[in-house]
Amino acid sequence: SYVLTQPPSVSVAPGQTARITCGGDNIGRKSVHWYQQKPGQAPVLVIYDEHNRPSGIPERFSGSNSGNTATLTISRVEVGDEADYFCQVWHSTTVPFGGGTKMTVL
Amino acid sequence: EVQLLESGGGLVQPGGSLRLSCAASGFTFSNYAMSWVRQAPGKGLEWVSAISGSSGTIDYADSVRGRFTNSRDNSKNTLYLQMNTLRVEDTAIYYCAKGWAEYNSGRFDYWGQGTLVTVSS
Repeated sequence: SYVLTQPPSVSVAPGQTARITCGGDNIGRKSVHWYQQKPGQAPVLVIYDEHNRPSGIPERFSGSNSGNTATLTISRVEVGDEADYFCQVWHSTTVPFGGGTKMTVL
Repeated sequence: EVQLLESGGGLVQPGGSLRLSCAASGFTFSNYAMSWVRQAPGKGLEWVSAISGSSGTIDYADSVRGRFTNSRDNSKNTLYLQMNTLRVEDTAIYYCAKGWAEYNSGRFDYWGQGTLVTVSS
């Protein structure tokens, strides 16, 4: 099976930049997608194919992917960005998700 | 506007069965693969199963293969998940999620609000 590893938590002050990593074997060769999930809500796609943003997602959200690490970057963090973030890839006929990172905005 | 509405969740005893439904609207249902993704209380996301737009390809997670059956009725714009031999560890919110293409691959661009399945005696 293919394992995606995320840090359990990150903390960031409003206005600063948050970086959430997603580690996997040669993940740089895969298309990585990121989801935001706020308490009591369904996940929302925020980045797809490493760095593309769906309609309605602020430009503050960006992504990169190289080697064994994909990264979600949130610039000028706002209080409303506080949420859990999950990475996801498609591997063979399965769909691994990362364990999720809880981002706290201090 | 894309809408996905799950139903059919509830309380069931271990070893029991349950059938979930996901009613879709706002897009051409048959043109897109659909998946079920679950989330145990306080835990992360776990993909359960995907089905291509034509039902020609159906993939399952190892944890549910042989117990769960994913299907769809394109004439009714509805996705189903038949869950048999349920275990306590199947307790979770079950989401249906729309794929980005007809075949099983890639991202999930829309999600339903989920339906809670509780397996307990």
